[in-house]
Amino acid sequence: DTGVSQDPRHKITKRGQNVTFRCDPISEHNRLYWYRQTLGQGPEFLTYFQNEAQLEKSRLLSDRFSAERPKGSFSTLEIQRTEQGDSAMYLCASSEQVSSFAGYTFGSGTRLTVV
Amino acid sequence: TQLLEQSPQFLSIQEGENLTVYCNSSSVFSSLQWYRQEPGEGPVLLVTVVTGGEVKKLKRLTFQFGDARKDSSLHITAAQPGDTGLYLCAGEGETDSWGKLQFGAGTQVVVTP
Repeated sequence: DTGVSQDPRHKITKRGQNVTFRCDPISEHNRLYWYRQTLGQGPEFLTYFQNEAQLEKSRLLSDRFSAERPKGSFSTLEIQRTEQGDSAMYLCASSEQVSSFAGYTFGSGTRLTVV
Repeated sequence: TQLLEQSPQFLSIQEGENLTVYCNSSSVFSSLQWYRQEPGEGPVLLVTVVTGGEVKKLKRLTFQFGDARKDSSLHITAAQPGDTGLYLCAGEGETDSWGKLQFGAGTQVVVTP
């Protein structure tokens, strides 16, 4: 297993377009998290899954954002009608423990630029 | 809103010097983690501290968790250029039973040869 993979690494889109990002977690990890990071800030929680169930969504996540994790494996994050304020690094992480003591394994992120 | 305050925001030192980064909160955390992030990459876990007063050492890095589990520090001895990066602390709240982490804004460390 090579860790958490995210695709694409970079995405440039025009305002108003829809975009979809993919995350492949470490195979034995049942927890998957999406975070967003803007310049000069730490990652901010967006949502998380335990297996295929989406258990919490941040208030940061407007109704233009949707995330899925079919079959409890890979996950997708879709942003509809993108806005310039959506420009950020979108990070996916996975973990196997009930608690976070074992830490997250992050992917390299998807850098979204909305022009 | 970042509930974890990190200081300083930026630190530039020369190779061989020591440095300390601080992470403070008004909240109690059941665990606290430190990550290092390089440009264009995701954060990489350095350490997890769980017990109040705990001290962990990782080669030249020393991590301490405050007695009240509200604050932590990271000390680097004899810094090297390879230590350059964004250092992030992240806490798991006592009421968050499923491992959600809250991150600080980070301290950018630059070590020049």
